[in-house]
Amino acid sequence: EAQVTQNPRYLITVTGKKLTVTCSQNMNHEYMSWYRQDPGLGLRQIYYSMNVEVTDKGDVPEGYKVSRKEKRNFPLILESPSPNQTSLYFCASGRGGLAGDTQYFGPGTRLTVL
Amino acid sequence: RKEVEQDPGPFNVPEGATVAFNCTYSNSASQSFFWYRQDCRKEPKLLMSVYSSGNEDGRFTAQLNRASQYISLLIRDSKLSDSATYLCVVSKGGGGADGLTFGKGTHLIIQP
Repeated sequence: EAQVTQNPRYLITVTGKKLTVTCSQNMNHEYMSWYRQDPGLGLRQIYYSMNVEVTDKGDVPEGYKVSRKEKRNFPLILESPSPNQTSLYFCASGRGGLAGDTQYFGPGTRLTVL
Repeated sequence: RKEVEQDPGPFNVPEGATVAFNCTYSNSASQSFFWYRQDCRKEPKLLMSVYSSGNEDGRFTAQLNRASQYISLLIRDSKLSDSATYLCVVSKGGGGADGLTFGKGTHLIIQP
């Protein structure tokens, strides 16, 4: 089954404790992206990657890091999480390397930072 | 002007009715346009792409007006299962590496 998976699905952590949210896709997509969704603000792009070893900042990159060492994986790293990073996070992937092409979303990770 | 603007609703519509909503975008360089559907606390899923010539998929019709920079979605014979938030999505640039901009969504409630 073609899908984007994220882990963990739910995470409660404390300020300053480094965490990683994994994202993996099995569709051989070149494009991958991370979004956060907050009430009243909609979906906002954090980082994206056009291909292996190519990453770029989105609209709200502060406080986040990403890496793209393999085509299928695109982990999101919070080195020192803060309460304002409490949010619902979605990973997405798309085909053909075109950022404007259809994107397929993972099920989301609900993060709470205390 | 916001990049992608939608009426948040909610739109309360009786089952079987026709409902339409619009979305406006500010970036004239945008080349790709979509409607996504999002159910409560779930991931967004592509509903349909939007083309200048318009496109139809069953009860759903999408239209793009580049001159006025707006996109529309029409749902005919609405079903209870159509209740969801509909996201208007626009590419940031001309098919390059700029990603997508999402509207905040229009909340639709179909009532029995």
